[in-house]
Amino acid sequence: EDQVTQSPEALRLQEGESSSLNCSYTVSGLRGLFWYRQDPGKGPEFLFTLYSAGEEKEKERLKATLTKKESFLHITAPKPEDSATYLCALISGGSYIPTFGRGTSLIVHP
Amino acid sequence: KAGVTQTPRYLIKTRGQQVTLSCSPISGHRSVSWYQQTPGQGLQFLFEYFSETQRNKGNFPGRFSGRQFSNSRSEMNVSTLELGDSALYLCASSLRQLGPSTDTQYFGPGTRLTVL
Repeated sequence: EDQVTQSPEALRLQEGESSSLNCSYTVSGLRGLFWYRQDPGKGPEFLFTLYSAGEEKEKERLKATLTKKESFLHITAPKPEDSATYLCALISGGSYIPTFGRGTSLIVHP
Repeated sequence: KAGVTQTPRYLIKTRGQQVTLSCSPISGHRSVSWYQQTPGQGLQFLFEYFSETQRNKGNFPGRFSGRQFSNSRSEMNVSTLELGDSALYLCASSLRQLGPSTDTQYFGPGTRLTVL
């Protein structure tokens, strides 16, 4: 059974204080790993898809990386508008249905 | 390109009633999935439709059902509502079945259902 664990559950940062969110997983044959951002009361907003170990993708202050056991979402010099819940999900070779983690709630203080 | 749309955005129902939620996927997307999101359980998969056929189903009671039309639009129905059905219901669409690069799901804004 595919498993996705995100840590920490909650993270408070000061504006400009860089940090990383972790998504560790166990899967039989990774087909794709996804990162989403979700604001309260809204649907998840797609950020990145990673397909193989060693792959990296960047978007503004966010950078996602992937190894065989985990993925990191690095946030460089965050701003208060980066405050949201960040969700990690994956699809394995045996299923088209994503398995989601419980998310990391990020608060960035000005 | 328009994103995934869901209607209505908010609903208030009473126990025992039934409700129908609607989802229009991104143009060209043939797969539509439904999720229930609550603070306690997180995102839970309900079912997926592809080309008008239910392809996958999550672990929810039969009160939860859905369908997909020939234009890929989808509806989900919940009958005999219970208090525990209060949640954010999310619809997501993807191209699907054309290789890993088409697996990414794009979510709509959700329908907030409150059962009193």
